Amino acid sequence: EAGVVQSPRYKIIEKKQPVAFWCNPISGHNTLYWYRQNLGQGPELLIRYENEEAVDDSQLPKDRFSAERLKGVDSTLKIQPAELGDSAVYLCASGLGYTQYFGPGTRLTVL
Amino acid sequence: GQQVMQIPQYQHVQEGEDFTTYCNSSTTLSNIQWYKQRPGGHPVFLIQLVKSGEVKKQKRLTFQFGEAKKNSSLHITATQTTDVGTYFCAGYVNEKLTFGTGTRLTIIP
Repeated sequence: EAGVVQSPRYKIIEKKQPVAFWCNPISGHNTLYWYRQNLGQGPELLIRYENEEAVDDSQLPKDRFSAERLKGVDSTLKIQPAELGDSAVYLCASGLGYTQYFGPGTRLTVL
Repeated sequence: GQQVMQIPQYQHVQEGEDFTTYCNSSTTLSNIQWYKQRPGGHPVFLIQLVKSGEVKKQKRLTFQFGEAKKNSSLHITATQTTDVGTYFCAGYVNEKLTFGTGTRLTIIP
């Protein structure tokens, strides 16, 4: 069974530039999560989808972050414009019930 | 503030020694999950505990969920170099899976 796929794996951009991350969850998993993980810390939830619906986006900084999950499968997370403090690993996870399966993440560096 | 805390933050052990990490929540949890993240890797689900006082074992790993469902522990017996990584507990707080601060384990060969 294929795991959660994310791309790109690494991204380096200058501040104020836009950036987008893509996630393909495990087939059949209706729930999809985006997390941000800062160095030395645990993942922090940004947004949770149940199928196409964003059921929890309370921790998504909506002034610059946006996400979508068209057709309830793949998802994209966008930052526009990026700031220096956005440097982190962005993890996508999918799951059934309580168990979550994480993708390899996208390491974003904002210069 | 941080709602799920773990101690210690770092642990260095000689290969073959035991290792324990403790997880404490400020609120009662419906369940507790444990994840392992290798250096440069992503969190990998290890186990979920649901019942008060529950104990589960996976080979050399023993997981416990406290009676009050506010704390948990992970114990590794006779550590090996493959055990290196950061161990996170996670519990649902306000319906969000909230990760602990993690314990980073390094093994001295």
